[in-house]
Amino acid sequence: RKEVEQDPGPFNVPEGATVAFNCTYSNSASQSFFWYRQDCRKEPKLLMSVYSSGNEDGRFTAQLNRASQYISLLIRDSKLSDSATYLCVVRHGGYQKVTFGTGTKLQVIP
Amino acid sequence: NAGVTQTPKFQVLKTGQSMTLQCAQDMNHNSMYWYRQDPGMGLRLIYYSASEGTTDKGEVPNGYNVSRLNKREFSLRLESAAPSQTSVYFCASRDGHGGMGNTIYFGEGSWLTVV
Repeated sequence: RKEVEQDPGPFNVPEGATVAFNCTYSNSASQSFFWYRQDCRKEPKLLMSVYSSGNEDGRFTAQLNRASQYISLLIRDSKLSDSATYLCVVRHGGYQKVTFGTGTKLQVIP
Repeated sequence: NAGVTQTPKFQVLKTGQSMTLQCAQDMNHNSMYWYRQDPGMGLRLIYYSASEGTTDKGEVPNGYNVSRLNKREFSLRLESAAPSQTSVYFCASRDGHGGMGNTIYFGEGSWLTVV
């Protein structure tokens, strides 16, 4: 089983739609969780950290379910500019022990 | 505000050639990293440097060497390039002092093809 697993997609959604991605992780001792965004042929950039109680940043909501070992990202009112690949990132030790998922591709359609 | 700068952006090498990828950050970060990204594999850590003067192997170090020249610079060397090293390479840095200091900042990437 991969340490971090994501559905590669693509998720094709119309503008204004709500879309959610899940990411599962295998190491129950994982400590920190993040979502990064990566545009085509660009570097990954931090979208948001994921806190135990869940957290929101504008149209983006991240949640953590430790019992089932997954994190989720919800995007409301999708914009064309949200089209990108979303990487799930899990830390299970020092920052040399950070595992990146392979990403979920989102395409927002006009 | 340059952030993390890496060069070259594109490079084609012949099998057996050597080259060095250069990376510099201007954010006074302690930790620096080299990753490679391959389709279907996600980002994988090659080497990292937790602080100036130290380097350690990551998940996929074979065929690579690194130098943490000073706090700003962290270079990656391929001594004898192989086609399996065709990839996109990202340099990254992190402050390491907790909170937003845990954000990993990436350079724009170096596209390397070994033929």
